[in-house]
Amino acid sequence: DGGITQSPKYLFRKEGQNVTLSCEQNLNHDAMYWYRQDPGQGLRLIYYSQIVNDFQKGDIAEGYSVSREKKESFPLTVTSAQKNPTAFYLCASSVQGEGSYEQYFGPGTRLTVT
Amino acid sequence: DAKTTQPNSMESNEEEPVHLPCNHSTISGTDYIHWYRQLPSQGPEYVIHGLTSNVNNRMASLAIAEDRKSSTLILHRATLRDAAVYYCILSPRISQNFVFGPGTRLSVLP
Repeated sequence: DGGITQSPKYLFRKEGQNVTLSCEQNLNHDAMYWYRQDPGQGLRLIYYSQIVNDFQKGDIAEGYSVSREKKESFPLTVTSAQKNPTAFYLCASSVQGEGSYEQYFGPGTRLTVT
Repeated sequence: DAKTTQPNSMESNEEEPVHLPCNHSTISGTDYIHWYRQLPSQGPEYVIHGLTSNVNNRMASLAIAEDRKSSTLILHRATLRDAAVYYCILSPRISQNFVFGPGTRLSVLP
């Protein structure tokens, strides 16, 4: 089945450690996105990538880093510089082009940092 | 980015129609209107989107005001599985950068 996978579903880390969240898609989409969601809030865009080897900061990029070496993969690293990393992280992908296209979301990774 | 305003919560009875409103008075001429919904602890799910004309699909209908400053998502017969948070989002034509507000939490009563 085509779709987006995120792993792991739950992740626990100690403060001060970097952690990398995985996102893979087999939809052949050019664009991929990372969002963060805090309890009771909407999603906020962290980073997005419209093509391999290129990505742009979203609204809350500080303390995060990404890479896009392959079309299928867009891993997110939460660094120790992120002040409040505990959150629900969602990855999405979409067709890229003129017009507006639906974004397909993964199941999310819930990160807890203590 | 253009913003949207939605009621915090709404309630509906099962098997009745539901009209979820969204105001977007600062919408630009090239902004698309998207609707997504999210169940607890899951990723959002696409519902419908449109630009100027009303749109229908198997999940819902989207009614867009003539001046495009508001829109309404219509669920024709609510089921218990439709209970979710519904987000109304404006998407510029070129950019896919969605701005999610807090959405409307829909409760469906049996």
